[in-house]
Amino acid sequence: DAGITQSPRHKVTETGTPVTLRCHQTENHRYMYWYRQDPGHGLRLIHYSYGVKDTDKGEVSDGYSVSRSKTEDFLLTLESATSSQTSVYFCAIRDPQGNSGYTFGSGTRLTVV
Amino acid sequence: AQSVTQPDIHITVSEGASLELRCNYSYGATPYLFWYVQSPGQGLQLLLKYFSGDTLVQGIKGFEAEFKRSQSSFNLRKPSVHWSDAAEYFCAVSPYNAGNMLTFGGGTRLMVKP
Repeated sequence: DAGITQSPRHKVTETGTPVTLRCHQTENHRYMYWYRQDPGHGLRLIHYSYGVKDTDKGEVSDGYSVSRSKTEDFLLTLESATSSQTSVYFCAIRDPQGNSGYTFGSGTRLTVV
Repeated sequence: AQSVTQPDIHITVSEGASLELRCNYSYGATPYLFWYVQSPGQGLQLLLKYFSGDTLVQGIKGFEAEFKRSQSSFNLRKPSVHWSDAAEYFCAVSPYNAGNMLTFGGGTRLMVKP
């Protein structure tokens, strides 16, 4: 989607290795979110940020950490990847001042082998 | 905490037939309500949203949804389905506070028969 990009789009990694996914926005929105998508579960919130250096846990935060040192970038780190973290990861942004929904990135497909 | 239920995991309809996808939510007050569509291998696209006012909301691609407070439902409808509507559909809710996170239902996969 315009204004929000995720990288990489695809990644295969080995169990036990650290992995960092990047979400970059050009909209200057305050709120950013990381979700994971798994069949039958829809999207579940991992972590979110409400400003630079301000982050909080979501529903499925175990094994994940995040950082936000700049408004435009929100990083998701799998500290030691496990096979259960094989998933599609989506970043989203939202402008709380606007009357719009959330804008999602195109997703990162992560496979942990 | 809020929750969202989409009772139908899969739905198959014939092209040209009408469609209704169900969504029920659990929340103490009226939340913000959303429907998103996801085509295979793609991200999520917002179809429509309800914040307040008229309980029948119109969205893109000919979709509409009706908010029924008494039933805690926000069902998605389309009068005539096109083959290109085949996708996965997600209902989501957000508390009535800007910036709060979305909670999603498990999704309904729509298949369209020619």
